[in-house]
Amino acid sequence: DPKIIQKPKYLVAVTGSEKILICEQYLGHNAMYWYRQSAKKPLEFMFSYSYQKLMDNQTASSRFQPQSSKKNHLDLQITALKPDDSATYFCASSQDPGNEQYFGPGTRLTVL
Amino acid sequence: GQQVQQSPASLVLQEGENAELQCNFSTSLNSMQWFYQRPEGSLVSLFYNPSGTKQSGRLTSTTVIKERRSSLHISSSQITDSGTYLCAMERSSNTGKLTFGDGTVLTVKP
Repeated sequence: DPKIIQKPKYLVAVTGSEKILICEQYLGHNAMYWYRQSAKKPLEFMFSYSYQKLMDNQTASSRFQPQSSKKNHLDLQITALKPDDSATYFCASSQDPGNEQYFGPGTRLTVL
Repeated sequence: GQQVQQSPASLVLQEGENAELQCNFSTSLNSMQWFYQRPEGSLVSLFYNPSGTKQSGRLTSTTVIKERRSSLHISSSQITDSGTYLCAMERSSNTGKLTFGDGTVLTVKP
């Protein structure tokens, strides 16, 4: 059974719209993260949360907003979508910040 | 400059050959991790290796924190080892932020 679930697997959106990427982990971890991988770029850290509190934010734009309704959930809301937002978004988790991280399968977002 | 430099960028092997992948860090780090990215995109953690040598099957990771480098050795390569190998460093344990290298694309031919 997958331990980190990301939904949907694929997502197509139009410019200017808003989407929510879902992430749930069943590893009992306290820390969760979002990363982004664009074409021809390395994986890029976006956010880290620990016990549902924001630890680090490396995203320049406020259009990206994490939402944590439960300790094992960290969704990512993206507003006013742009074509440059097209990427695969990975959710990850670890027991605590500084421990080994495990990644979900990713959500591939395409903005037209 | 790039904080995490991986070499080589790509590598082609004949099945059965060994490979040595390198990762160098331009700053001090708290820990590092090796990942395998499958051709379809998913990421698998291979090693969480803050220091020393760890082995798992045909894979061996060696990290020398003071020298800011880590290596991944693949012995007796198999076709199914093909994919991208990524290293990532964590500068501080406070936030968990991983900084990734560009990766080494490995192709193993029969």
